Amino acid sequence: GNSVTQMEGPVTLSEEAFLTINCTYTATGYPSLFWYVQYPGEGLQLLLKATKADDKGSNKGFEATYRKETTSFHLEKGSVQVSDSAVYFCALGDLGSARQLTFGSGTQLTVLP
Amino acid sequence: KAGVTQTPRYLIKTRGQQVTLSCSPISGHRSVSWYQQTPGQGLQFLFEYFSETQRNKGNFPGRFSGRQFSNSRSEMNVSTLELGDSALYLCASSLTGFNSNQPQHFGDGTRLSIL
Repeated sequence: GNSVTQMEGPVTLSEEAFLTINCTYTATGYPSLFWYVQYPGEGLQLLLKATKADDKGSNKGFEATYRKETTSFHLEKGSVQVSDSAVYFCALGDLGSARQLTFGSGTQLTVLP
Repeated sequence: KAGVTQTPRYLIKTRGQQVTLSCSPISGHRSVSWYQQTPGQGLQFLFEYFSETQRNKGNFPGRFSGRQFSNSRSEMNVSTLELGDSALYLCASSLTGFNSNQPQHFGDGTRLSIL
């Protein structure tokens, strides 16, 4: 079956540091890949997505590239802010759709001023 | 445009009771999915509805059920509640769910606590 393995947290960085959160997946076929962010007390917000190999998703300074050869979708940001503190989830959508998502375990990010 | 609305936000029940949670999708969205989030198991897919029909189901016991109405609003029901059902239940909607360019939009969830 499908699975997503995400970098263990928590991750603590200073403001303006570089962020990488690793995500690898196992799936049959060609899944769609997503990063969601969850702030305390809230639901999940879509951060970015990629639907095919070599696609790069980007939003709010965050980027992730769909690497089929390494089955990875690592999240990066060049300069984090305190407001980026949240839990980040990597997710996989089966058969090119997004209606049944398989999530990673989540990575708690704390950015210190 | 209003987002996905889940009610109630918080709920406290005791073991053996049953509970119904409600989800109103974004206007025009016809696919509604439900997820359970717990510290131990993370985010797990429960089921998905489209046009009042259950289209996909996750690996949960039959105590968990749902339905969708003609206006796309959805409810999920959990019967004979157990302590392990304590979780944040998230609802997500998308236009049809057939296209990966139609990502799921999540509500803020219902926090269910079982005493």
